[in-house]
Formats: sequence, C-alpha cells, structure tokens
Amino acid sequence: DARVTQTPRHKVTEMGQEVTMRCQPILGHNTVFWYRQTMMQGLELLAYFRNRAPLDDSGMPKDRFSAEMPDATLATLKIQPSEPRDSAVYFCATSGKTYEQYFGPGTRLTVT
Amino acid sequence: GQQVMQIPQYQHVQEGEDFTTYCNSSTTLSNIQWYKQRPGGHPVFLIQLVKSGEVKKQKRLTFQFGEAKKNSSLHITATQTTDVGTYFCAGPRYSGGGADGLTFGKGTHLIIQP
Repeated sequence: DARVTQTPRHKVTEMGQEVTMRCQPILGHNTVFWYRQTMMQGLELLAYFRNRAPLDDSGMPKDRFSAEMPDATLATLKIQPSEPRDSAVYFCATSGKTYEQYFGPGTRLTVT
Repeated sequence: GQQVMQIPQYQHVQEGEDFTTYCNSSTTLSNIQWYKQRPGGHPVFLIQLVKSGEVKKQKRLTFQFGEAKKNSSLHITATQTTDVGTYFCAGPRYSGGGADGLTFGKGTHLIIQP
C-alpha cells in the first residue's frame, strides 16, 4: 500500500528557530507539492517540484521558506527563522501520470 | 487568479439525512476533483470529473459536473457517522489539467448528529 510519508508529525518550536519538514513521495510519482492548511486560509499551495526540479514557489514567503528535493525519495521544506504565524499543518502531496494527488499525514507545526 | 468557492461552509445533519455541497469556479475547468478530510486527517482523493454534465456515483455519493464545467456538486444519500469530515473540491490552477497544482475550495464541514 503505497503512501506518502512525512516527518515529523508534530513539531513545537520557539519563534526564531529553524524548522525542517521532510516528505517521502510515493515511488514513481514525479510531482511533489507542498501545501499549508490553516482554518483561515484553507489549503494553500506553497511550492511544487517535477522530476526534482522546482517549478513554482510563488506561494512561499521567500525570505524565510525554502523547499528542496535533494533526491527522488526526499523533499524538504525549511522555515528559518520560524514565526508564530507559520503555525499550521503542512502537507506534502504527490502525483504521478494522472492528476489526483496523494497527501501525506502532514506535519502539525506550532511556533510559540 | 482562479477561485473555487464552496458552499455551505458548515452543514449539520441528522444521521440518515441527505447532504449536498456545491462548488463554483470563476473560470471554466478542464476537470474537477473531490477530496475528503476526516477530522485530524489528511485530504484523500475521492474522484475526478472531466466531461461536461458528467455524473459519477460511489455507493451513496453522487458527483456531478456542470454543463458549463464551472460548477460541481457532491450529494450524499442517507448520511452515516463515517461520512463526517470536510469535503473539498479542487480545480486545476492552470489549463494543464492539474499537473501544475490544484486550487482548493475552503471545504464544507459535514457534522452528523446521531
């Protein structure tokens, strides 16, 4: 049963600290999306990659967020420095040849 | 940019009643997808509609894509407690069918009272 995995599942950190979230795509899926979910804004697309190349990160605050895909089995989303307004659930989702997206369980981030 | 609106935001029903959520796009969509997110969970893909006027059924769930491909609906017959969650519709951000990401509606939260 292929699944997207994300670590950590929960993260509590203090303002100003660096946060790194990781995602392992489903084997064979070549597109990886990062979403942020909050009650106010809903699901927002932050960035996405295809075949490991970044295609669009216009949804990310550029000064503090960065997304990378060092290899086909790992995507990372980093926040440095973190702020309380970054508190949210961050989802990684992947897709293959069809357009449906498979979401990971998410990382629930709390910045105090 | 493209917007996807969903109504209602919340829906309370008694178990056994029907439920419908509606999705409207500001632009014509090449396809529309529906996802379900259980409380504390992650969005799970339900279905994709592609053709104008298309209707698809999954057990008690009926999905419809409008003739103009700008609106869609999800209808659940005789709700059960397992139907609790948030239902999202999503359309492609661009004309590429969804390969470049989806724009999600804000979702309809279905609350079921036993």
